[in-house]
Amino acid sequence: DADVTQTPRNRITKTGKRIMLECSQTKGHDRMYWYRQDPGLGLRLIYYSFDVKDINKGEISDGYSVSRQAQAKFSLSLESAIPNQTALYFCATSPGGRETQYFGPGTRLLVL
Amino acid sequence: GENVEQHPSTLSVQEGDSAVIKCTYSDSASNYFPWYKQELGKRPQLIIDIRSNVGEKKDQRIAVTLNKTAKHFSLHITETQPEDSAVYFCAPNSGGYQKVTFGTGTKLQVIP
Repeated sequence: DADVTQTPRNRITKTGKRIMLECSQTKGHDRMYWYRQDPGLGLRLIYYSFDVKDINKGEISDGYSVSRQAQAKFSLSLESAIPNQTALYFCATSPGGRETQYFGPGTRLLVL
Repeated sequence: GENVEQHPSTLSVQEGDSAVIKCTYSDSASNYFPWYKQELGKRPQLIIDIRSNVGEKKDQRIAVTLNKTAKHFSLHITETQPEDSAVYFCAPNSGGYQKVTFGTGTKLQVIP
């Protein structure tokens, strides 16, 4: 089945380290998104991309950057990790038009 | 951008009772109205959706109703079961090149 995958699934890092979270999809969708979810809270948009040459900031982009390496790959980087970036990170894709979003399994990040 | 509100933020019901979650939005251009379910530790997944040319859609025990004039739509779950316990999100949108805004989520607890 076509799917959205994320690596790593869990990551522990230290304050100040640069880390990368990766997202791959076999759904053939043009649009990809990165969200952050804190315990008990909703989904906050970090960055989104409508195609390979398009990158847009979401509501909480400070401290993050992204790279859209191909239609199927969208990576999120934390330039210098800090403890309040500890969260669950989701990648999602959509086919455009009707905006149903398909989520990856998530990456749990702990910044010490 | 779209302003999306969900009510209530938490909801506890006895098994077998009904549950209703309401989503209010601001963008009159919205024409697609999905509901997502996120079980504990899992990814959000689409459970039901409706387009603006339809007032109601039903799928077994779940239904979605839309009032476009008042700009709100609701998720209805009948004969609730413990496995319905989860967080539910709405995400009204118009497709196109606008980012999708998720509601803040409703935590539903079904008490056996």
